[in-house]
Amino acid sequence: QVQLQESGPGVVKPSETLSLTCAVSGGFNNITHWWSWVRQPPGKGLEWIGEIYHSGTTNYNPSLKSRVTISLDKSNNLFSLNLNSVTAADTAIYYCARGLYNTWNYAGRWFDPWGQGTLVIVSS
Amino acid sequence: DFQMTQSPSSLSASVGDRVTITCRASQFINTYLNWYQQKPGKAPKLLVFAASTLQSGVPSRFSGSGSGTHFTLTISSLQPEDFATYSCQQSYNTPWTFGQGTKVEIK
Repeated sequence: QVQLQESGPGVVKPSETLSLTCAVSGGFNNITHWWSWVRQPPGKGLEWIGEIYHSGTTNYNPSLKSRVTISLDKSNNLFSLNLNSVTAADTAIYYCARGLYNTWNYAGRWFDPWGQGTLVIVSS
Repeated sequence: DFQMTQSPSSLSASVGDRVTITCRASQFINTYLNWYQQKPGKAPKLLVFAASTLQSGVPSRFSGSGSGTHFTLTISSLQPEDFATYSCQQSYNTPWTFGQGTKVEIK
């Protein structure tokens, strides 16, 4: 059973870099999984940030692409998010999640399970 | 980007009611549509993927239907633990995008 757990600072100063890690237990080396980051500003909807495949291939949301890097650490069963030049608009709960897809046509993406989320506040 | 629009934004219902939530895509997405349930202070939980496939462990009172641009999530008999926010998500093309959510409240 796959479980995910986010960790990182709860407060980041404006213009600095937000860095989070997601520790994965069970199934990290499964080559049919993507590993994603999703965020949710307080009281608002969900926004997909990006994802990484076991090969290191990444996909990013174009709205954040210039500021985002997602990386894998296979030896420690974790993946990470770096978001640079943050502003107050980046204040949100950040979730990591496993992305699954149709193995017969490699299409689709649904997220299950999710980490419990970590609130990051951008403030000086 | 594919815009996902849910209706209503919120609704009040009683235990035992049949509840239907609608999600519309701005473009054709075939059946690449997923539904999540989120309770306050908790992470989203996958309910339905590929428009109509119930995730393992999800009660059978939940069902999803639709294709193309119009989708629905139905709860056949609302239970106390179903009061939550429900969000749809398209997985036809990146960036994967979510609806704004529908909050189901107790009447």
